Amino acid sequence: GAGVSQSPRYKVAKRGQDVALRCDPISGHVSLFWYQQALGQGPEFLTYFQNEAQLDKSGLPSDRFFAERPEGSVSTLKIQRTQQEDSAVYLCASSGPGLQETQYFGPGTRLLVL
Amino acid sequence: AQSVAQPEDQVNVAEGNPLTVKCTYSVSGNPYLFWYVQYPNRGLQFLLKYITGDNLVKGSYGFEAEFNKSQTSFHLKKPSALVSDSALYFCAVRDGNTGGFKTIFGAGTRLFVKA
Repeated sequence: GAGVSQSPRYKVAKRGQDVALRCDPISGHVSLFWYQQALGQGPEFLTYFQNEAQLDKSGLPSDRFFAERPEGSVSTLKIQRTQQEDSAVYLCASSGPGLQETQYFGPGTRLLVL
Repeated sequence: AQSVAQPEDQVNVAEGNPLTVKCTYSVSGNPYLFWYVQYPNRGLQFLLKYITGDNLVKGSYGFEAEFNKSQTSFHLKKPSALVSDSALYFCAVRDGNTGGFKTIFGAGTRLFVKA
């Protein structure tokens, strides 16, 4: 079956440019997560959705980061006015509704801000 | 607040020998614990999890992990390592009582298995 997909896989942006990263979760998964993984580090939680509701956005590093999931399926992570420190791999994961559910990860989008 | 520590940046083991990758955690409520593996240029793949019940959890590819509440540890083990096990391993924790769905990952341990 289809797993979590993310696009684009690679993105090069000039500092100050806005970017949008897309996540297609596993069909039927109500929970969706975004993580930021810096080079040599573990994933860091950014935000979480249950269906279309954003229930936790405590990990978003600044108001330049914005995520949405308007119809409860596809999600977009938007970064405005990108900075060099935003360079990282952005991972999306989806799961069933329970706290004990396993998260299944996409391949990530590697963002490089020049 | 939740936290995870993977005290070893790197673990080296010879093929056929047993391997252990260490993980300790801190949560205020009941821990939900996970192990993931990451191969180059690929996303994280789920290996196993502990939610409740038997302290010894068996997972994919022959891996297992033991939940030790008194030592707040969840070490990953495999009786006989393969060269193909060489990868980056992440331990993660979620607070089953108070943390909501926020999952905290460790910094990762790179495993090298030599032939």
